[in-house]
Amino acid sequence: EVQLVQSGAEVKKPGESLKISCKGSGYTFATYWIAWVRQKPGEALELIGIIYPGDADTRYSPSFQGQVTISADKSISTAFLQWSSLKGSDTAMYYCARTVGPIYHFEFWGQGTLVTASS
Amino acid sequence: EIVMTQSPATLSVFPGERATLSCRASQSVSGDLAWYQQKPGQAPRLLIYGESTRATGTPARFSGSGSGTQFTLTISSLQSEDFAVYYCQQYNKWPQTFGQGTKLEIK
Repeated sequence: EVQLVQSGAEVKKPGESLKISCKGSGYTFATYWIAWVRQKPGEALELIGIIYPGDADTRYSPSFQGQVTISADKSISTAFLQWSSLKGSDTAMYYCARTVGPIYHFEFWGQGTLVTASS
Repeated sequence: EIVMTQSPATLSVFPGERATLSCRASQSVSGDLAWYQQKPGQAPRLLIYGESTRATGTPARFSGSGSGTQFTLTISSLQSEDFAVYYCQQYNKWPQTFGQGTKLEIK
């Protein structure tokens, strides 16, 4: 059974750094893309970017370029989303999702990680 | 970036009735259109892809249609578990973009 299990909720102060994770199981992690999607409270879904763990090919949506860093460690079947300096506007639920291509629909989703950045 | 517009924002329907949700793209996305269902406190779930192909586990009462810029998700006879928010997504061009969602509520 394909599963994506995300790390737990985080509460941070603006300006702090953060790295959240998404661990895949039940399939060959290196051969599927992992996307990160943001959902602010009461708002729609936004694609942040996507990574192919097999060769670390990474692409960012223009709105998020330079704002976050996506990475993956295929040896532990885990993808990461990180911020060097959080802003209050980064407060949101973050989902990872598996996809077969860089421009494709998202077949399986993680349970989400709630990030709260507040002083 | 392709803008996806869903209508209506909220749809109130009686259980057992038919629901029709619309999604329009700002430019043609061919048939590269997916629908997702999201219930409160849960992650989105893929329902339909390729504009009309049901994902594994999607009941037959869900059907998708359309092409180009205009798409429709139809739920033929609403069950209690179908009341949720529905999002369309285009995956024809990078970056993939989502509509604002239609909230389907019990009348």
